[in-house]
Amino acid sequence: DAKTTQPPSMDCAEGRAANLPCNHSTISGNEYVYWYRQIHSQGPQYIIHGLKNNETNEMASLIITEDRKSSTLILPHATLRDTAVYYCIVRVIQGGSEKLVFGKGMKLTVNP
Amino acid sequence: NAGVTQTPKFRVLKTGQSMTLLCAQDMNHEYMYWYRQDPGMGLRLIHYSVGEGTTAKGEVPDGYNVSRLKKQNFLLGLESAAPSQTSVYFCASSYAISGRYNEQFFGPGTRLTVL
Repeated sequence: DAKTTQPPSMDCAEGRAANLPCNHSTISGNEYVYWYRQIHSQGPQYIIHGLKNNETNEMASLIITEDRKSSTLILPHATLRDTAVYYCIVRVIQGGSEKLVFGKGMKLTVNP
Repeated sequence: NAGVTQTPKFRVLKTGQSMTLLCAQDMNHEYMYWYRQDPGMGLRLIHYSVGEGTTAKGEVPDGYNVSRLKKQNFLLGLESAAPSQTSVYFCASSYAISGRYNEQFFGPGTRLTVL
């Protein structure tokens, strides 16, 4: 699996867009980018995933660069409840189980 | 639906004691997973199961055993607890639909301290 690099932390003002970067320069053509987040002491929560096209759902948008070496998770209007550790994961979608590998992630703090 | 539940929420053990952590899901998921999370680190996979009666080793399986006798339950056992097993344990489950990403749904965690 390709390695991902995220900054250790980021601050964002409430109501503003939060842009969370992730580098994955060794990503392979069949590897997807996934994002999960973990709100304090809770289990991780799936946010979004993508291969090469930009993706949007009710929680966030995922922008993947054309060369796929980096991506950005966008929370369009951050709220205090978005304060969490965000994990960027790169993985092949296998026919069997998805064994996720979580790094240290990035702590997003949304300030009032 | 309750989703993924874990029992107990907290436990303190003495070195050498044994215990079983229970994970239950009511979403009819095929796959189930056990992770551990140590302070300041991401989650690491201990064991997983791709269906009733099957189990497989993950990244850090030593010192743990698992069983999946029923589809909805996944048990994690510590036969002889060690202080190095002090951690927060998360269970997760997911569908097994071929050709698509099957997101994992996580339980609330079990905080285990081994003295």
